[in-house]
Amino acid sequence: GAVVSQHPSWVICKSGTSVKIECRSLDFQATTMFWYRQFPKQSLMLMATSNEGSKATYEQGVEKDKFLINHASLTLSTLTVTSAHPEDSSFYICSRASGSSADTQYFGPGTRLTVL
Amino acid sequence: GNSVTQMEGPVTLSEEAFLTINCTYTATGYPSLFWYVQYPGEGLQLLLKATKADDKGSNKGFEATYRKETTSFHLEKGSVQVSDSAVYFCALRDSSYKLIFGSGTRLLVRP
Repeated sequence: GAVVSQHPSWVICKSGTSVKIECRSLDFQATTMFWYRQFPKQSLMLMATSNEGSKATYEQGVEKDKFLINHASLTLSTLTVTSAHPEDSSFYICSRASGSSADTQYFGPGTRLTVL
Repeated sequence: GNSVTQMEGPVTLSEEAFLTINCTYTATGYPSLFWYVQYPGEGLQLLLKATKADDKGSNKGFEATYRKETTSFHLEKGSVQVSDSAVYFCALRDSSYKLIFGSGTRLLVRP
């Protein structure tokens, strides 16, 4: 069964509003989770690494103030897209590393965001 | 920088056909290599992996061999099934936890 869930699975919002996406680790206390973004027909791009109890680490080119990440507990990380614009429309995916193997990651099903 | 290139899809095959999805990479050092699969409506799942040169990863009839000399990690399956229809992602991980993905290849298997 799924070990990482995301909510919502899809969301439509108006330009200028903020949207929060939740990512939950269902079977493991994850100190580290990852947020990816996927454009149509393109690969997943790592946006940031979410660290429980500390600030997220953002990849180069990702706006920290635009994509707010909060990892307040060992099972929940949230991504808030602030003042969303149509160019923020995308598929957002989170993951956590495997507890037994640092090599692999478990992914959530993704959240499709459409900004009108 | 590190990157992964995989063949564009969609790849359409008849059931029981042989499958190859090409993947090549560019990386410094010795990355671990992965194939992830995404079935419709589900999250990415690890299909197989290889952590060093000449390693062969295998799972569910799929295989891929880590070829350092050609910087490749091609995915193969001898006889595909309709249930194999999905999007396949090649990826590498270097010295950190970060995964770098290819663009994905959609496979459609027809009965």
